[in-house]
Amino acid sequence: DTAVSQTPKYLVTQMGNDKSIKCEQNLGHDTMYWYKQDSKKFLKIMFSYNNKELIINETVPNRFSPKSPDKAHLNLHINSLELGDSAVYFCASSQGGGETQYFGPGTRLLVL
Amino acid sequence: AQSVTQPDIHITVSEGASLELRCNYSYGATPYLFWYVQSPGQGLQLLLKYFSGDTLVQGIKGFEAEFKRSQSSFNLRKPSVHWSDAAEYFCAVAGNTDKLIFGTGTRLQVFP
Repeated sequence: DTAVSQTPKYLVTQMGNDKSIKCEQNLGHDTMYWYKQDSKKFLKIMFSYNNKELIINETVPNRFSPKSPDKAHLNLHINSLELGDSAVYFCASSQGGGETQYFGPGTRLLVL
Repeated sequence: AQSVTQPDIHITVSEGASLELRCNYSYGATPYLFWYVQSPGQGLQLLLKYFSGDTLVQGIKGFEAEFKRSQSSFNLRKPSVHWSDAAEYFCAVAGNTDKLIFGTGTRLQVFP
């Protein structure tokens, strides 16, 4: 009965590859988010979706493309991976409007 | 622009000692304020939040935080620290844009 789940938990890949990370929430929330945590533990929002519509796009390179097939899922596809994309990516969900965001366990991406 | 400052990068306390983690924010209106904890290799867990009302809020695991508008602060406290409290602690603010702005985190180390 995990609230926010992400797959995979770990992802090791070569530079130039394309990869996807999946996120699902069973909390019935309307809003979902992607955050990136860098090697210094700094957390920064990348995107948010409300009911399948893109709301926030924080000047992320267009190699990153979020997709929300329905309001319970928000996937992140990354093209042409670069070394600097190595990080932990967290998905979160909330009811929106500044309400509490619930985080998934994270996906640890390492680009070699 | 919204911002969060956590002045202490690393804090070390003895088990059983009291704890205060500092957080200062910058936001034009009354913010929504949060404290999250991240154990090594784990996701973020919400400790407590302030939306409005009583400025002293109670959270899980015996933590509390006090909102002081005059000082733009939301410091986290615990009267007696347990070894299991060793983790990274993040303060965050959410405004009307519905995105969480995180501080840089404070790493708590607990000695027996």
